[in-house]
Amino acid sequence: QVHLVQSGAEVKKPGASVKVSCKASGYTFTSYGISWVRQAPGQGLEWMGWINAYNANTNYAQNLQGRVTMTTDTSTSTAYMELRSLRSDDTAVYYCARASGTFAFDIWGQGTMVTVS
Amino acid sequence: QSVLTQPPSVSAAPGQKVTISCSGSSSNIGNNYVSWYQHLPGTAPKLLIYEDNKRPSGIPDRFSGSKSGTSATLGITGLQTGDEADYYCGTWDSSLSLLVFGGGTKLTVL
Repeated sequence: QVHLVQSGAEVKKPGASVKVSCKASGYTFTSYGISWVRQAPGQGLEWMGWINAYNANTNYAQNLQGRVTMTTDTSTSTAYMELRSLRSDDTAVYYCARASGTFAFDIWGQGTMVTVS
Repeated sequence: QSVLTQPPSVSAAPGQKVTISCSGSSSNIGNNYVSWYQHLPGTAPKLLIYEDNKRPSGIPDRFSGSKSGTSATLGITGLQTGDEADYYCGTWDSSLSLLVFGGGTKLTVL
């Protein structure tokens, strides 16, 4: 069974940083990319960026450039997303998702609620 | 304001068919594959359609995808109450270098 399991909910103060983890199992981690997608309360889905788990190349959404860093640890098949200088409008559920070459996200983590207050 | 335009809501009776449109441009839908996702509150989104019209294993053939020019459509036949959810289209935008989602469409099965 293919799974992505994320770390638990976080409450942070404005200006702080948060780091969310996403542990993969059931497939060869380096054969796929990992994207991060968030959903603010009452809003739609927002793509944050992508990391190639094989070579660690990244592509971040322009509006998050400078505040977000995506990394992977291939020894534990875990992806990480760190968001810095948190603001209240970063309050959202954050999802990791396995990304195919055509940017279809076929496996999703359960989501991590990040509250900035 | 989303780059991809979806109707905010659609509704139909159980057993009926519904279509959800997703309108974009040549920099996104017109030249890149479209995916569709079902999102129930409190759960993770689920991939329904990828590469415009392909279904992942386990997705029933009641769900279908099509694309023409700069618009894509998700079709759902034999509606069930369990289909009530938000539906999102998504694709790569080559001009923005960004993966873009539609604003989402809430499906109500009356």
